[in-house]
Amino acid sequence: EAGVAQSPRYKIIEKRQSVAFWCNPISGHATLYWYQQILGQGPKLLIQFQNNGVVDDSQLPKDRFSAERLKGVDSTLKIQPAKLEDSAVYLCASSWGLSNTIYFGEGSWLTVV
Amino acid sequence: SQQGEEDPQALSIQEGENATMNCSYKTSINNLQWYRQNSGRGLVHLILIRSNEREKHSGRLRVTLDTSKKSSSLLITASRAADTASYFCATVPPGGTSYGKLTFGQGTILTVHP
Repeated sequence: EAGVAQSPRYKIIEKRQSVAFWCNPISGHATLYWYQQILGQGPKLLIQFQNNGVVDDSQLPKDRFSAERLKGVDSTLKIQPAKLEDSAVYLCASSWGLSNTIYFGEGSWLTVV
Repeated sequence: SQQGEEDPQALSIQEGENATMNCSYKTSINNLQWYRQNSGRGLVHLILIRSNEREKHSGRLRVTLDTSKKSSSLLITASRAADTASYFCATVPPGGTSYGKLTFGQGTILTVHP
C-alpha cells in the first residue's frame, strides 16, 4: 500500500515569496492533516480536513497560510508571503477516519532566507 | 503550545540495554500516543494508550500511563541500533474523537550505539 506522498521534498525561497506544498493521502483516507515542525520541536497541527471540509484550522495563521482539499483527496498548503520563521518541515498525515491511526508523509522541508 | 514535555531530552545507550523515556502533560486527555521519527523522515505511530488504561505492550515496547500524575513512560527493551531516532509523545484532548488532532511534546533523541 502506497504511503502519504508529499512534494516537493525540499524548497528554499526568499522571504516574501510564496510556496505551495502538495499532499496525496493514502487511498481511501477521509481525514487529512497538515502539521508544521520547527527544528528541534514536536509537530504542531495547522489544519484538519474531513473529506473536503475543514474540521479545525484554529492554529493556521490565516493571514499568510491557506490550504484546500479539492474533491476530498489531494491537498495543497500555501504560504504567501513567507517569513523567516516559516522555515520548518511541513508534514501531511492521513487516516481512514477520525478515530483511526494516522500515517505521516516524509515531509516537505522549507527554508526561508 | 506544546502539551507534553519529554524527559530526558537526549538519551545515549548501548545496544541490548533498555531505554526509558518519560512524558508529562498538562491537561486531561482522551488518549496518549507515542511516535518515532527517524532523522529527516516522517513520524511513525508506535502505540496508543487510552486514559482508562494503565499499561500496554507492543513487541519490545511497554507504555505506562498515570493520569493522576499526568505522565507516561515508554520503555524499549533490548534496544537495537535501528531504534536510534527521536521519540515523541502526543495527546488527544477529552471528548476528542479525532485521534490525529494531536498536541506533541518536544521529543527525546535516542541514540543506540552498536
